[in-house]
Amino acid sequence: KQEVTQIPAALSVPEGENLVLNCSFTDSAIYNLQWFRQDPGKGLTSLLLIQSSQREQTSGRLNASLDKSSGRSTLYIAASQPGDSATYLCAVRGNTPLVFGKGTRLSVIA
Amino acid sequence: GAVVSQHPSRVICKSGTSVKIECRSLDFQATTMFWYRQFPKQSLMLMATSNEGSKATYEQGVEKDKFLINHASLTLSTLTVTSAHPEDSSFYICSASGGKDTQYFGPGTRLTVL
Repeated sequence: KQEVTQIPAALSVPEGENLVLNCSFTDSAIYNLQWFRQDPGKGLTSLLLIQSSQREQTSGRLNASLDKSSGRSTLYIAASQPGDSATYLCAVRGNTPLVFGKGTRLSVIA
Repeated sequence: GAVVSQHPSRVICKSGTSVKIECRSLDFQATTMFWYRQFPKQSLMLMATSNEGSKATYEQGVEKDKFLINHASLTLSTLTVTSAHPEDSSFYICSASGGKDTQYFGPGTRLTVL
């Protein structure tokens, strides 16, 4: 059974810092991996989707990498801003629907 | 892009009543819809998968008689929480897939059972 782990569970950084969020998964037989943002009490916003054949995806200040063989992904956020404060969820898709990690709660302090 | 809506966004009900939550794909046909539940500070947990016109497949530990799922058309799935109790209070999120890898998520429904 696929299990997704995200480290750290919570992170607080001053504005302007670059930061890395980590995601690991136990079954490397995946189709894709997706990073989402969730604001308190809200739904999910898809940030980046990496297909299993890809190594990374970039969107603005966000860069996600995927190492399928080792079961790891990272989300890099450059020049963090207070508006980046949210919970970031990693999810993997294999033969099952998306399996989610518990998320990393990010606070960017002005 | 693909849009998925949920209604209502928030519902408060008394213990013992039933609540229906709708999930609609607005601009694509969803052959498969998924229902997730999220407790505070926890991850999204898949409850069930439904394919249009067939019975839903429930995840282990999810009572199919309590959480009734209907996927009668390619744009609408409903989740009915029957005889709701306070422990059913949670954030319910649906997602829809048009047959490819991507799941598109609705905005969620906050259920509070008093």
